[in-house]
Amino acid sequence: DAGVIQSPRHEVTEMGQEVTLRCKPISGHDYLFWYRQTMMRGLELLIYFNNNVPIDDSGMPEDRFSAKMPNASFSTLKIQPSEPRDSAVYFCASSFSGKFQPQHFGDGTRLSIL
Amino acid sequence: GQQVMQIPQYQHVQEGEDFTTYCNSSTTLSNIQWYKQRPGGHPVFLIQLVKSGEVKKQKRLTFQFGEAKKNSSLHITATQTTDVGTYFCAGGDGGSQGNLIFGKGTKLSVKP
Repeated sequence: DAGVIQSPRHEVTEMGQEVTLRCKPISGHDYLFWYRQTMMRGLELLIYFNNNVPIDDSGMPEDRFSAKMPNASFSTLKIQPSEPRDSAVYFCASSFSGKFQPQHFGDGTRLSIL
Repeated sequence: GQQVMQIPQYQHVQEGEDFTTYCNSSTTLSNIQWYKQRPGGHPVFLIQLVKSGEVKKQKRLTFQFGEAKKNSSLHITATQTTDVGTYFCAGGDGGSQGNLIFGKGTKLSVKP
């Protein structure tokens, strides 16, 4: 079975550029989560969706971050404009039938903003 | 807001020694989950505990949920080099407003 698929795996770009991260959840999962992981702050929840609808975006750092889920099999996290402090590993995860159910994580996108 | 604290932050052991990581919440939890993240990898779900005082075992791993449902532990017996990684607990308060909160993790290194 295919797990959560994220792309790209690595992204290096210059400050000020737009960055788009992509995620395909496990088929049939109705919850999708975006996390950011850094050494200093650990694993932080940015936003999550239920049935393609954003439910809680209180973890989104600022207006430069936006996320969409146009359908059940695709979500994007966009940063515009990007800043060096956005450098981190971004994970997408999905779960079935509840936000407190076990989450399945993708391999992550390692983002470096120069 | 809800906080999940995990100790220790790092643990270095000799292969064959035991290892324990502890997780404490500021609020009562409806459930607790444990994940393992290998170096360079992604968190992988290990187990979920929901009942007060619950104990579950997976081979050399023993997971426990406290009676008050505010703390949990993961114990590994006779560590192996394959146990290397960061172990995270994640707690949910069960309320409609809350989310699953991850601890900062315990990074385990095992010396052969």
